Amino acid sequence: QQPVQSPQAVILREGEDAVINCSSSKALYSVHWYRQKHGEAPVFLMILLKGGEQKGHEKISASFNEKKQQSSLYLTASQLSYSGTYFCGTEKMGGTASKLTFGTGTRLQVTL
Amino acid sequence: NAGVTQTPKFQVLKTGQSMTLQCAQDMNHNSMYWYRQDPGMGLRLIYYSASEGTTDKGEVPNGYNVSRLNKREFSLRLESAAPSQTSVYFCASSGFLAGKFFGPGTRLTVL
Repeated sequence: QQPVQSPQAVILREGEDAVINCSSSKALYSVHWYRQKHGEAPVFLMILLKGGEQKGHEKISASFNEKKQQSSLYLTASQLSYSGTYFCGTEKMGGTASKLTFGTGTRLQVTL
Repeated sequence: NAGVTQTPKFQVLKTGQSMTLQCAQDMNHNSMYWYRQDPGMGLRLIYYSASEGTTDKGEVPNGYNVSRLNKREFSLRLESAAPSQTSVYFCASSGFLAGKFFGPGTRLTVL
């Protein structure tokens, strides 16, 4: 079951904040966040594990509500370099290999 | 460290032709994956390999085969290409409970 991301697209001015949400209809073990620039490969941002463990990246943070099966990505004081498409990937159970199901993405554009 | 490398970067095939996409990683990761990305569809898992010597199907395995040649290399084969397989293919690798590192992708067009 593909997770649902919202919003589908957002335009920000440099310095503004943004929140991107990711919801699943299934119980989750972990949530991953990636950013992809046009014509490039996705780049890992962070992983949130069931139980609250979290890893972060620069001014970008995230939360994981296990009961609601939701995760949110917070972009603080956005920079032009934050532009791109953000994907969440969800995993129902842990294992040796991480078989993520990705959302359809949120397109973020940061302008001057 | 090259990370994850893929060859070729671009390929055009005719319907029915076969080809193999190559992937290699130098991060000593156990797990490797093949994804395809279509406009508006996000990334979909084709096959994965949890460790050397094992492979398993993902969401969209039909029309593909894989080989985990050794710990570093994981190839994807299209035996008889179809226009529906036109896509961007990404290989990725990861360690345990860690994020995935993606290769630069192969842009495949099947005519």
